[in-house]
Amino acid sequence: AQRVTQPEKLLSVFKGAPVELKCNYSYSGSPELFWYVQYSRQRLQLLLRHISRESIKGFTADLNKGETSFHLKKPFAQEEDSAMYYCALALNFGKGTSLLVTP
Amino acid sequence: EAGVAQSPRYKIIEKRQSVAFWCNPISGHATLYWYQQILGQGPKLLIQFQNNGVVDDSQLPKDRFSAERLKGVDSTLKIQPAKLEDSAVYLCASSLWGTQYFGPGTRLLVL
Repeated sequence: AQRVTQPEKLLSVFKGAPVELKCNYSYSGSPELFWYVQYSRQRLQLLLRHISRESIKGFTADLNKGETSFHLKKPFAQEEDSAMYYCALALNFGKGTSLLVTP
Repeated sequence: EAGVAQSPRYKIIEKRQSVAFWCNPISGHATLYWYQQILGQGPKLLIQFQNNGVVDDSQLPKDRFSAERLKGVDSTLKIQPAKLEDSAVYLCASSLWGTQYFGPGTRLLVL
């Protein structure tokens, strides 16, 4: 069975601090992993996917098959990064982590 | 391009009543998804259509939920009869090459 775990419900950091949103998955095959973001009063939208290996809005995520993780990272958090972040394994979503960046 | 449209945006009903939600995907998107998002949870896939055929409805409670996608464009999701635990946001999404675009959702409250 495919399962996604986001261990933190809420993550609060100061502006300019590094951010790491954790995501662990359970899947025996080749995973298709995504990060989605939902800003306040906006629609859920794709942030990045592991196959593209790109950086979006300064965020990156590296697939670690040994640790079955796909953590989302940003070196310097901005206030506009405050949002709800969901990790997804194909069409299976985690419960989400609320990121709050304070000045 | 216009995004995924959903209506209504909000709905309040009493338990045992029926309700229907409508979704208009982005033009040309062959794949359409319905998700249920209960407060504090991530979206849960209910059904996936490819054109007007069902790809996956394994998590759709078929005793009370039904969905159709006539002509491979618009889709409706129906709940009949509704239960208290159906209170959630119902999200519709469409995709063309694997990237999902979500609608604003319909917030359902069952009293």
